[in-house]
Amino acid sequence: GENVEQHPSTLSVQEGDSAVIKCTYSDSASNYFPWYKQELGKRPQLIIDIRSNVGEKKDQRIAVTLNKTAKHFSLHITETQPEDSAVYFCAASMTGFQKLVFGTGTRLLVSP
Amino acid sequence: EAQVTQNPRYLITVTGKKLTVTCSQNMNHEYMSWYRQDPGLGLRQIYYSMNVEVTDKGDVPEGYKVSRKEKRNFPLILESPSPNQTSLYFCASSFTVGHEQYFGPGTRLTVT
Repeated sequence: GENVEQHPSTLSVQEGDSAVIKCTYSDSASNYFPWYKQELGKRPQLIIDIRSNVGEKKDQRIAVTLNKTAKHFSLHITETQPEDSAVYFCAASMTGFQKLVFGTGTRLLVSP
Repeated sequence: EAQVTQNPRYLITVTGKKLTVTCSQNMNHEYMSWYRQDPGLGLRQIYYSMNVEVTDKGDVPEGYKVSRKEKRNFPLILESPSPNQTSLYFCASSFTVGHEQYFGPGTRLTVT
């Protein structure tokens, strides 16, 4: 089955810096890659997603890139702010295979 | 208001005492899923359901049961809870596995 690895497990940056979180997946048939943000004590919420027919997607300060050949995808956050501090999860799934497999999460800390 | 609800939010129980965690969504979603969240392990899928009366195992189904008799409800049943099932549980729903998953608020379960 699908396996998703996520790195780093923790990431500390200064406010205004960029942050990059990387995930690799094992099954080349995976075609949907969402990213979820979980603030302390809250439920995970989708922040951005990408499908395998697209190489990059942006939404204001957040972007996701996908490299199908290498089977990895990354979350990029620019101009980080303290409110970006949270745990971020990547995930992967494929049409016809109804499971959604999550990475182990990255705790991002943005210091003022 | 579109939402996923779970009850109870907190539960402390003893080994072997059957319990049910309820999950309900009001978005007419076909796909529903249960996850457990443990430190360092991320979100792991327990069971999922693609529609009424259609359920299947996720990655960590041992010790759990589910049912989907109505589209809006997807209860999680622990027939004989054990301490290793102490965890934070999330229910989620979406149109399909390849769409945004809406998470419930979580149920923190402690089994002593």
